[in-house]
Amino acid sequence: DAGVIQSPRHEVTEMGQEVTLRCKPISGHDYLFWYRQTMMRGLELLIYFNNNVPIDDSGMPEDRFSAKMPNASFSTLKIQPSEPRDSAVYFCASSQIVTDTQYFGPGTRLTVL
Amino acid sequence: QKEVEQNSGPLSVPEGAIASLNCTYSDRVSQSFFWYRQYSGKSPELIMSIYSNGDKEDGRFTAQLNKASQYVSLLIRDSQPSDSATYLCAAVRYQGGKLIFGQGTELSVKP
Repeated sequence: DAGVIQSPRHEVTEMGQEVTLRCKPISGHDYLFWYRQTMMRGLELLIYFNNNVPIDDSGMPEDRFSAKMPNASFSTLKIQPSEPRDSAVYFCASSQIVTDTQYFGPGTRLTVL
Repeated sequence: QKEVEQNSGPLSVPEGAIASLNCTYSDRVSQSFFWYRQYSGKSPELIMSIYSNGDKEDGRFTAQLNKASQYVSLLIRDSQPSDSATYLCAAVRYQGGKLIFGQGTELSVKP
């Protein structure tokens, strides 16, 4: 298996622009997680899905952030409009059950100027 | 109080020594615990999972869980420079099943 796939690996954009991050989970994994990692706040869970349905989005920082999972093999995290404080590494992870090992993708390093 | 707490380090040990990484958690009913390793610029990767009180060994790694004290630890025997990384402790929150990560402990193994 190719593991969790994320794109793009790096994104540099200007404040106010829309940013879309993409994730393909491991086939057969029913859970998909979006995390954000910064030096100050560490690794934070933003939202997670079970069978394509959002279960907990309490970590989404504000309405500028939205996430979708239209099918079992694809999810997006969108930031509109982006702000410099959104600069971070965004990880996608997947697992077979929610309490089981999560496998992380390589991450997207986002820089908002 | 953070749900999962770790000393940020850095923890520095000489090559061949035992590195001891510690973690405490606040959710008394958490049942699942994980140690992830993260190299600089890379994504977290699982080292060990532990669910029952006691020790669990895997090669040079031993995870220890004490639910009464709400304490998880990771021992790395015969530490190697390649073990230099940040080690993240994580606990599954009982309500909702979310995985909560600590801030991570940076380990440096000196040749």
